[in-house]
Amino acid sequence: DAKTTQPTSMDCAEGRAANLPCNHSTISGNEYVYWYRQIHSQGPQYIIHGLKNNETNEMASLIITEDRKSSTLILPHATLRDTAVYYCIVRGGNNDMRFGAGTRLTVKP
Amino acid sequence: NAGVMQNPRHLVRRRGQEARLRCSPMKGHSHVYWYRQLPEEGLKFMVYLQKENIIDESGMPKERFSAEFPKEGPSILRIQQVVRGDSAAYFCASSPLSADSRGGYTFGSGTRLTVV
Repeated sequence: DAKTTQPTSMDCAEGRAANLPCNHSTISGNEYVYWYRQIHSQGPQYIIHGLKNNETNEMASLIITEDRKSSTLILPHATLRDTAVYYCIVRGGNNDMRFGAGTRLTVKP
Repeated sequence: NAGVMQNPRHLVRRRGQEARLRCSPMKGHSHVYWYRQLPEEGLKFMVYLQKENIIDESGMPKERFSAEFPKEGPSILRIQQVVRGDSAAYFCASSPLSADSRGGYTFGSGTRLTVV
């Protein structure tokens, strides 16, 4: 599976958009990009995933560059409850996911 | 439709005892994954199981750890002769069986194991 690189931590003001970047320069053609988050010590929560087109759901938007070597997760209007560790994962054909260190997002009032 | 159920939520064991962690996947899901999270660290993949089969156990320690997912009943992660270093949160996830299982995993709330 391709390795991902994320910033260790980020801050965001409440009500503003949070843009979380992820580099996955070694991604291969059949690998999807997944985003999860973990709030405090709860179980990870699925956010969104995509292959090459941009995706949007009720939680977030996922923007994948044309060469697929990086992506950005966008939380359009961050709230204090969005404070969490966000994981970007590239998933291959063996059907299991490997988590990295993630980005610790702190939403500040 | 209940989510992934893990029990117990908290488990305390003395060094040398056995720990048994249970995971019931979501209804209709036949793939189960176990992860371990040490304090202040990320999730580490341990094992991937389907009913009665271990598909990938590359993240499992070579000794004392075993996992099963029987035809009937929950998946069990078993840790024999626990040591203090086994203290961690253990998360189970499940996903549905499909020809192209590209959906996300659903995680349980975890079992916090404390070895004293």
